[in-house]
Amino acid sequence: EDQVTQSPEALRLQEGESSSLNCSYTVSGLRGLFWYRQDPGKGPEFLFTLYSAGEEKEKERLKATLTKKESFLHITAPKPEDSATYLCAASRGSNYKLTFGKGTLLTVNP
Amino acid sequence: DTEVTQTPKHLVMGMTNKKSLKCEQHMGHRAMYWYKQKAKKPPELMFVYSYEKLSINESVPSRFSPECPNSSLLNLHLHALQPEDSALYLCASSQDRSQPQHFGDGTRLSIL
Repeated sequence: EDQVTQSPEALRLQEGESSSLNCSYTVSGLRGLFWYRQDPGKGPEFLFTLYSAGEEKEKERLKATLTKKESFLHITAPKPEDSATYLCAASRGSNYKLTFGKGTLLTVNP
Repeated sequence: DTEVTQTPKHLVMGMTNKKSLKCEQHMGHRAMYWYKQKAKKPPELMFVYSYEKLSINESVPSRFSPECPNSSLLNLHLHALQPEDSALYLCASSQDRSQPQHFGDGTRLSIL
C-alpha cells in the first residue's frame, strides 16, 4: 500500500528562521511528487512537481528537493505570510489517484 | 486567483434537500476530480472523470451523484445527506495522470 508521511505535524518559526519540512514516501513506481500550500478555508494551491531523484525546484523562498525515499521543502528566511499547511502528495501515474500526507502546519511569527 | 471555479462557496441544507455543487475550469484539462476534506485532514478522493467519463468512484454513497456535462464542467448532485457529510468539497483538474492537479477553493457544506 502506498504511504506518504510528513513531519513534523506542526512547526513554529520566527521570521527569518530557515527550516525544512520532510515528506517520506513508499510508492511503487513514483511518477510525480507534488507540494501544495493550503490556507484556512481555501483549496490547496499547487507549488511544485518533482519527477525524479535529484531534481530541485525553487520559487521565491521555497525550494523542493527529491530523493528516492523522501522530499524536502526548504523555507529560507520565512515571512509571516508563509504560514499555512503544506501538503505533500505522490502519484504512481497508473491512475489518477494521489496519496496525500497529513500535512505540516507552519506558523511563522513576526 | 484560482483557475478552477466552484459555486456556491457556502451551502447549508437540510437532510431532505436536493442541491448541486458546480465546478468549472478553462485550462483545457481532460481530468476532473471531486474531493471531500474534513478539518485538519488531507483531501479524500471521491470521483474522477477522464475525458468526460467516470473513471474512478471511491465507493461513495449514492446520495452523492456526479455529472460531467462537458470537458469544462463538473457537477455534484446531493440528496438526503447526513450530518457527517458536512465538509469542504473540493474540485480539481489536471491535464493527465502524472500532471499536477489544480484545486478550486471549495464549497463549505453544512448539513443541518
